[in-house]
Amino acid sequence: AQTVTQSQPEMSVQEAETVTLSCTYDTSENNYYLFWYKQPPSRQMILVIRQEAYKQQNATENRFSVNFQKAAKSFSLKISDSQLGDTAMYFCAFMALSGGSNYKLTFGKGTLLTVNP
Amino acid sequence: DAGVIQSPRHEVTEMGQEVTLRCKPISGHDYLFWYRQTMMRGLELLIYFNNNVPIDDSGMPEDRFSAKMPNASFSTLKIQPSEPRDSAVYFCASSLVTGTDTQYFGPGTRLTVL
Repeated sequence: AQTVTQSQPEMSVQEAETVTLSCTYDTSENNYYLFWYKQPPSRQMILVIRQEAYKQQNATENRFSVNFQKAAKSFSLKISDSQLGDTAMYFCAFMALSGGSNYKLTFGKGTLLTVNP
Repeated sequence: DAGVIQSPRHEVTEMGQEVTLRCKPISGHDYLFWYRQTMMRGLELLIYFNNNVPIDDSGMPEDRFSAKMPNASFSTLKIQPSEPRDSAVYFCASSLVTGTDTQYFGPGTRLTVL
């Protein structure tokens, strides 16, 4: 079974600064995807970024980028130029592409990020 | 596109009552997922469907929970009888043809069982 660990329950950052959220995972699979989802106070789950494990290049989406270290099973999210609208709970998630866990998203417990003005 | 639609957004019921949560996936999406979110357990997958067929229901906690997908545009999650520990936010999500495509979530239903 896969596990996803987010070791930072809460973080805060000043507006316009950069913050990095940590995520580690445990799996015996070699083929998988990793995701970061954002859940603002509205409760809506919104995809921030995704990374295919077979790709060596780190994924980027505008101000959001990841540092994917496959050997270390680490998948951190960097938010640059933080904005007030980035305040949300951030979830790291894992999806195996083989075995009995196909297409299942396994989520971490989340990191509550607060962006301060 | 309207996105994934869930109803009701909030549901308050008494212990022992039947509860039915509804979901309309994004048109053209072949996969539908039901998740539950609680403070204690976080986000958990309950069941998912492919082309209206249940593929994996290993996350369904008890026989009190059941899910159906009678057609490509509608799914229900039923709890009968409900218990206070079922109080949670229930999310529905859908994805395109292959299950590895991004899952798009609905706004969730907040269920409170008194």
